[in-house]
Amino acid sequence: AQSVTQLGSHVSVSEGALVLLRCNYSSSVPPYLFWYVQYPNQGLQLLLKYTSAATLVKGINGFEAEFKKSETSFHLTKPSAHMSDAAEYFCAVTTKGAGGTSYGKLTFGQGTILTVHP
Amino acid sequence: SAVISQKPSRDICQRGTSLTIQCQVDSQVTMMFWYRQQPGQSLTLIATANQGSEATYESGFVIDKFPISRPNLTFSTLTVSNLSPEDSSIYLCSAAGPIETQYFGPGTRLLVL
Repeated sequence: AQSVTQLGSHVSVSEGALVLLRCNYSSSVPPYLFWYVQYPNQGLQLLLKYTSAATLVKGINGFEAEFKKSETSFHLTKPSAHMSDAAEYFCAVTTKGAGGTSYGKLTFGQGTILTVHP
Repeated sequence: SAVISQKPSRDICQRGTSLTIQCQVDSQVTMMFWYRQQPGQSLTLIATANQGSEATYESGFVIDKFPISRPNLTFSTLTVSNLSPEDSSIYLCSAAGPIETQYFGPGTRLLVL
């Protein structure tokens, strides 16, 4: 079984401040981890992913996340927030499928709404 | 990454009717998925659509309510049948990419009156 917990359903930062969105996962086998962003009235866009290569993953729009196995965490950060970062962010976990038509099931966290103040 | 489009982008339907949502991918993919996002909630997987076989439904979702077609490797449809206000949600399709990565469409926003 796998699960994701996002700490904080709402995070508010000032423009130019550090963004930190927290994600902890539970998985009985090595996980693959993802961050998606959903802008108002849009679908989900992949920000970045961890698939067992480098533990520090860089994504689009200046975001990055670090996989910490000992802490079962995959927190999302951005050094300087921009107004355009205001959106809802989802952390998701899956595991490697058995191959063929078996594909890892994606489990989502509850989401964190990021508000950026001028 | 795959580019995914959905039709319609939004709709308002009367209870008791049905809505069919189309999902088109710009490349051939083995697996496609359908999700529901209820207001203020996260995403819940409805079913996995494989070409050439019946869809695999998650617990709590049944084929009679959510029939799915997958006629080829770039296209799928989800029908939400016998609509009730509780079906008001965003419905998203996704396509399977490499290493268990899924790419999502823009979603279909359904309001049932």
